[in-house]
This record gives sequence, C-alpha cells and structure tokens, in this order.
Amino acid sequence: DQQVKQNSPSLSVQEGRISILNCDYTNSMFDYFLWYKKYPAEGPTFLISISSIKDKNEDGRFTVFLNKSAKHLSLHIVPSQPGDSAVYFCAASALGAQKLVFGQGTRLTINP
Amino acid sequence: KAGVTQTPRYLIKTRGQQVTLSCSPISGHRSVSWYQQTPGQGLQFLFEYFSETQRNKGNFPGRFSGRQFSNSRSEMNVSTLELGDSALYLCASSLERGFNSPLHFGNGTRLTVT
Repeated sequence: DQQVKQNSPSLSVQEGRISILNCDYTNSMFDYFLWYKKYPAEGPTFLISISSIKDKNEDGRFTVFLNKSAKHLSLHIVPSQPGDSAVYFCAASALGAQKLVFGQGTRLTINP
Repeated sequence: KAGVTQTPRYLIKTRGQQVTLSCSPISGHRSVSWYQQTPGQGLQFLFEYFSETQRNKGNFPGRFSGRQFSNSRSEMNVSTLELGDSALYLCASSLERGFNSPLHFGNGTRLTVT
C-alpha cells in the first residue's frame, strides 16, 4: 500500500527554467510533509517542509505547495541549476506518527 | 558539528550469513531510525529507537533487528541474509522522537548479498 506516490520516475529540465516535482498521498491523517534531495553515494538531505495548516512554504529557490483537498503537493525550483540534478523524495507523517513515509523518488536532471 | 556516521560504507556477504551495521547520530540527537532503500521502492522504514527502546517497527521480518545504546549510537542486525536484502541501509537521527521534524541522514551502508 503506497501511501505516498511520486508518479514520475524522472524529469529533465533546462537550466534556468522551472522544475516542478509532484507527489500524491492517500492518507488524510498526514499533516506534515517534507522534501529530501539525494545525490549518489550520499544520504538524503532535508530540503524543505510544510505543515498542513499552510498551503505554501518558500525557501530561496525552493517552494512547496500543498493542496489538501487533492492530497497533492509539489516542489518548485526556480531557476533550476545543474547542481539541482539529484533524486528528490517527498515524505509525509501524521501528528504523533511513528514513522515517516517516503515516495519512490523522482530523478531530476538539469540540462545546460 | 559532525553529521550522522554509518559504518561500514560497503559490505559484501553471502546468503545465510548475518551482518551488523553501525550508526552514530548527531551529538545530542536521541532518536535514531533506520531505512532500507532499494531501486523502485523508495525508502522503507525499518524501525525507530529512542532512549534505548524500539518505539516502532516497519513491515520487515524478524530477521531484521536493532538496538540503541546509552550514548544513542545504534546498531542494526540482519540474520540469515537473503539475496533480496541487498540494498542501501540508511540511518537517520533527530532531536526528539516522532517524525514531525526533519531527519538527518547518514550516507548509508551499501549491502550486497551474493
């Protein structure tokens, strides 16, 4: 039962353009969402998070949008840079939950 | 501040053997959780430890076990290894238990079972 889904295994974007990574979830109890970035041979690093009381959170070039009614969140990267090429995981948890549920990841490639 | 340290980085084992992986959390972090990453499956939760007690366990067989020491360091053990156990095993730490704050991951241990 995949409660968090990233339906695009890969995404290719031109440098300087916007990258949009999508994530859907099925568990309505989820109230905290995070995005992690992972380079090869390294562990995931925390990128940005959002609580369910908000619909948008911004940090520099990264913005996360949350649509609770659609159970959908997205990560926007503007402008995209070559160093953004990595695998991006979305993750979700519920208040008091005992685990973080991850999506399968989306490999983002930024082309010069 | 040192990050999460996992040892060893790489391991090659044979089916039927057992293996122990080690994780040192960020100083001051008391919660340690373990994840398995395989291609196409994302990160699958194994278990979480806090104050030397297992607080939650994922959907993995009993061959997967762990423990946490008084200094918050944690070990994970897999017995009777199977080919399907080949994966990247990631350890993460956080200040408090639960998952409503970001986890800090180590670089993982790549386990290959032949």
